[in-house]
Amino acid sequence: TQLLEQSPQFLSIQEGENLTVYCNSSSVFSSLQWYRQEPGEGPVLLVTVVTGGEVKKLKRLTFQFGDARKDSSLHITAAQTGDTGLYLCAGAWDNYGQNFVFGPGTRLSVLP
Amino acid sequence: GAGVSQTPSNKVTEKGKYVELRCDPISGHTALYWYRQSLGQGPEFLIYFQGTGAADDSGLPNDRFFAVRPEGSVSTLKIQRTERGDSAVYLCASSLLLRDTQYFGPGTRLTVL
Repeated sequence: TQLLEQSPQFLSIQEGENLTVYCNSSSVFSSLQWYRQEPGEGPVLLVTVVTGGEVKKLKRLTFQFGDARKDSSLHITAAQTGDTGLYLCAGAWDNYGQNFVFGPGTRLSVLP
Repeated sequence: GAGVSQTPSNKVTEKGKYVELRCDPISGHTALYWYRQSLGQGPEFLIYFQGTGAADDSGLPNDRFFAVRPEGSVSTLKIQRTERGDSAVYLCASSLLLRDTQYFGPGTRLTVL
């Protein structure tokens, strides 16, 4: 069974703090995606990474794909209350990259 | 709006009943996906369609679950003889082409009493 682990499961921080959440697997990904999901809504894609060692930035969010393509991290600088939500990673193991498997998510609360 | 829509937003049913969940994808999107999300978990892949055909139904948990997309647009997920363990949020997503960005709907929350 191919499993994705995410840590921490829950994270509560004050506005303005920095944070990092992690996504890990024992298997090698062909590609990996990060999503944010708010209550009552579907996940919204933030980024897709495909190359080992790749770093992508989206405003205050920095995504890194591990060199071995088995893990990824999401770093948020100066968190805002609007960053609150469930952060999901989803990995694809096959060459088609179509069937993504989601991790359980990290639930982030940013307090004012 | 122009996003993926799902109906109903909430469905409460009794154990053993039959339910249908509907997904309206973004117009022009050829690929459509169904996922199930249980409390505290990430979405779990069920099935995806390319056009009218089910390209991969390996995620359907058993033969009580079936999905159709007869005209390559709207899709219906059908669950027979519902069980309490089927309670979850059922998410639909669509993409323009295979491997393109998936856009998710808000989901249907199914509760089986």
